[in-house]
Amino acid sequence: DVKVTQSSRYLVKRTGEKVFLECVQDMDHENMFWYRQDPGLGLRLIYFSYDVKMKEKGDIPEGYSVSREKKERFSLILESASTNQTSMYLCASSLPVTGAGETQYFGPGTRLLVL
Amino acid sequence: GEDVEQSLFLSVREGDSSVINCTYTDSSSTYLYWYKQEPGAGLQLLTYIFSNMDMKQDQRLTVLLNKKDKHLSLRIADTQTGDSAIYFCAEYLNYGGSQGNLIFGKGTKLSVKP
Repeated sequence: DVKVTQSSRYLVKRTGEKVFLECVQDMDHENMFWYRQDPGLGLRLIYFSYDVKMKEKGDIPEGYSVSREKKERFSLILESASTNQTSMYLCASSLPVTGAGETQYFGPGTRLLVL
Repeated sequence: GEDVEQSLFLSVREGDSSVINCTYTDSSSTYLYWYKQEPGAGLQLLTYIFSNMDMKQDQRLTVLLNKKDKHLSLRIADTQTGDSAIYFCAEYLNYGGSQGNLIFGKGTKLSVKP
């Protein structure tokens, strides 16, 4: 079974703090993704990566950065957390396009509260 | 444009069938997916359908695809309280080669009343 883990289920930070969200997958997937999920807005893609040291901006990259130093790990960084970044953050991984398109496997999510 | 639309809420009684509908706008979508998110958890792939199919059945789940109308539906037979969750429709857009993206709808929250 594919396993995608995220470092924290719940996180409380203060405005202006630097925040690291870690995601690890154990299936040697090339692709990794960070989404945020907000009520009424669904999932919005922040950043994704197709390979080590590669990153691509998603739909809402502002205020975030990412790091992919190893294939299995994809980190999301909030350089200076703000209250509007309070959200549920979901990490996902996938293989490149296969006979089933691109099935993404999700982690359990990190619920971040910025005070 | 890239947009996936689905209604936000659906309420059914236990034992009834649930039908969750989704429309998408890009006719070049090759794969369409249904994901389930239980409370406090991440998304879990339920099923997917390739664009050259019009129906796929997997136990209590039936997916119907009307490519002409760009309409996808998920039918859950004999709905149980454990089916209460948010269901996301998603389309895969291939931009060429191995580049592509999954576009998600906003999710339909299914509530099952005992």
